[in-house]
Amino acid sequence: DFVVTQSPDSLAVSLGERATINCKSSQSVLYSSNSRDYLAWYQLKPGQPPKLLIYWASTRGSGVPDRFSGSGSGTDFTLTISNLQAEDVAVYYCQQYYTTPYTFGQGTKLEI
Amino acid sequence: EVQLVESGGGLVQPGGSLRLSCVASGFTFSSYWMHWVRQAPGKGLLWVARVSIDGSSAMYADSVKGRFTISRDNAKDTLYLQMNSPRLEDTAVYYCVRDPRVATGYFDLWGRGTLVTVSS
Repeated sequence: DFVVTQSPDSLAVSLGERATINCKSSQSVLYSSNSRDYLAWYQLKPGQPPKLLIYWASTRGSGVPDRFSGSGSGTDFTLTISNLQAEDVAVYYCQQYYTTPYTFGQGTKLEI
Repeated sequence: EVQLVESGGGLVQPGGSLRLSCVASGFTFSSYWMHWVRQAPGKGLLWVARVSIDGSSAMYADSVKGRFTISRDNAKDTLYLQMNSPRLEDTAVYYCVRDPRVATGYFDLWGRGTLVTVSS
């Protein structure tokens, strides 16, 4: 199975500042035939359905503010949240969907 | 409103059985592959199973293979997860999720989840 590891496990960032979360896959998730990275990011808040933030490593999901951006390729990826807002407090997960079983990172808890 | 609503969770004894349901609304359910993802208390997310548009193809995580069965009824816009012989480690919130393309593997719509507790 592909092992996906996030860092850090938790971080605290001030309002208006930038948060950076890293995600590393044990094997490349770049599919050579279409040059796409099979990597997604999700946001989980208590009492709410999880939300897709980023797919194909850098494409924002529907309705996702442009403060959220994804980057990276191959095995190393980053989720960046600029101009941090209070509503961004959540746990963030990355996920590889290059192959089954689809696997998630362990999560990063973001606090203000 | 586009949404997924899970139900059927609760307390089940080890070795018992339980069936989870997920009703879809606001979109053409029969056009999408569907999955179940779970989250054990204090743990991360784990993909459980997926089913094709017509229900003819299913795939499972090794941890549930042979015990759980994913299925769907497109006439009722409903996804199911039949849990047989559950174990203590199957205790989790189970989410019904939508795959936006044919078996792509990322999930663009999630339900709120239903809690399954396996305990004697």
